[in-house]
Parts: sequence; structure tokens; C-alpha cells
Amino acid sequence: DADVTQTPRNRITKTGKRIMLECSQTKGHDRMYWYRQDPGLGLRLIYYSFDVKDINKGEISDGYSVSRQAQAKFSLSLESAIPNQTALYFCATKPSLNTGELFFGEGSRLTVL
Amino acid sequence: AQKITQTQPGMFVQEKEAVTLDCTYDTSDPSYGLFWYKQPSSGEMIFLIYQGSYDQQNATEGRYSLNFQKARKSANLVISASQLGDSAMYFCAMSYASGYSTLTFGKGTMLLVSP
Repeated sequence: DADVTQTPRNRITKTGKRIMLECSQTKGHDRMYWYRQDPGLGLRLIYYSFDVKDINKGEISDGYSVSRQAQAKFSLSLESAIPNQTALYFCATKPSLNTGELFFGEGSRLTVL
Repeated sequence: AQKITQTQPGMFVQEKEAVTLDCTYDTSDPSYGLFWYKQPSSGEMIFLIYQGSYDQQNATEGRYSLNFQKARKSANLVISASQLGDSAMYFCAMSYASGYSTLTFGKGTMLLVSP
């Protein structure tokens, strides 16, 4: 099983619907992140969390919210999805050591019609 | 603001040749880290190599090496003896001490390795 698991892996939805992407990890890392990838734009940070009581906005948080339910779980919500939120979404974790790399989930491909 | 620039949208290389993927960065923080990730067509993000700003030697991991030129603020990835399986998107990323350990990514370079 993957150390960082994202569900669903693929989702097609309609404009205005509420969508939740879930992430769980077995790596024991405190730090968790949500990124979005668009062609030609690389990965951009949406939200990040360093523990269950610490939630921070990233570069592109508008239209998104998150919940850190436990050390191992970090979910991303789109309250009212719009077509320009169609993207590949990645959850990632990182050890507290600043020099550690990010460990990514396999990605969740979201299409908003 | 911290910034990562990858100026090559696409690169071509023949199998067994070496290739350099460019990355420049901009930060005023003296403590930072530089990362390279590979994203094959299957979509997963694979960590390749890391270089710390205070590291004296260039990082190497197998066929990957990082050509770190601090004064020029560049952190180019060198892949030696390219293989067909190296065809992928490559992302350069940076973390910095004052940024609470988040990573900022470049826009990526698509590498195609031909037989």
C-alpha cells in the first residue's frame, strides 16, 4: 500500500457541486500539503498544515478549504466547484526536518464540467 | 518572494547521451534547499535529488547530479547516460528556512529521450 493515499483518484463533477478530496498517510509525518498541478504552471500550493491545530493558506487558497482531522488525515474541499478548478491535485507529506523532501500521493484528477 | 525558473519547456536527447536541465532561483534567505522531482506519464511525483545551500559539494544520486552554482543562483540537473525511461516531466523546487518548510516549484521541463 502507498504511504500517502489519495481518494478518489479520478472524479468528474458538475459546476456548483461540493467535492472533497481525502488524503491519509502512514509515514508519521506532521506536515501535510495540498498542491494543484495545471499544464504549463507546475505545482502550486493550496493549503498546508504542520499539525492538527495548524492550518495555513498557500499561494492559491481561494475557493478551497481544508480539514486536518488527525495527524494522518488531511482533506481538501471545493465548496462549489467551478470549471477552472479542473486540475490534478496532489497531497504530500514532509518530515519536520527542514531539509526533507516532500512525499507525494498518487494524485487526484478532478474534472469540473 | 521566492521564485523558481525553468526556462526550457522541452528538451530532446538521444539515448546514452548526457543532458542538462536548467533551473534558476531567487531568494534572499541564506538558508534554503533545492530539489528535483521527476513526473513520468503515469503522473506520480518521484524525488530525485536534494542540495542544501550550505553544502560544499554538488549532490549526486546515481546518474543524477546537481550542478549547484550559488553565485549564479542556479541548480541545474544533469542526467548522465540517458535512458528511454528518463522521458518525463522534471520539476525544480526550492524550500527556504523562513518559509515554514513549504516547497515552491518551477513550471517544469519535458524531457524526451529518443532511441
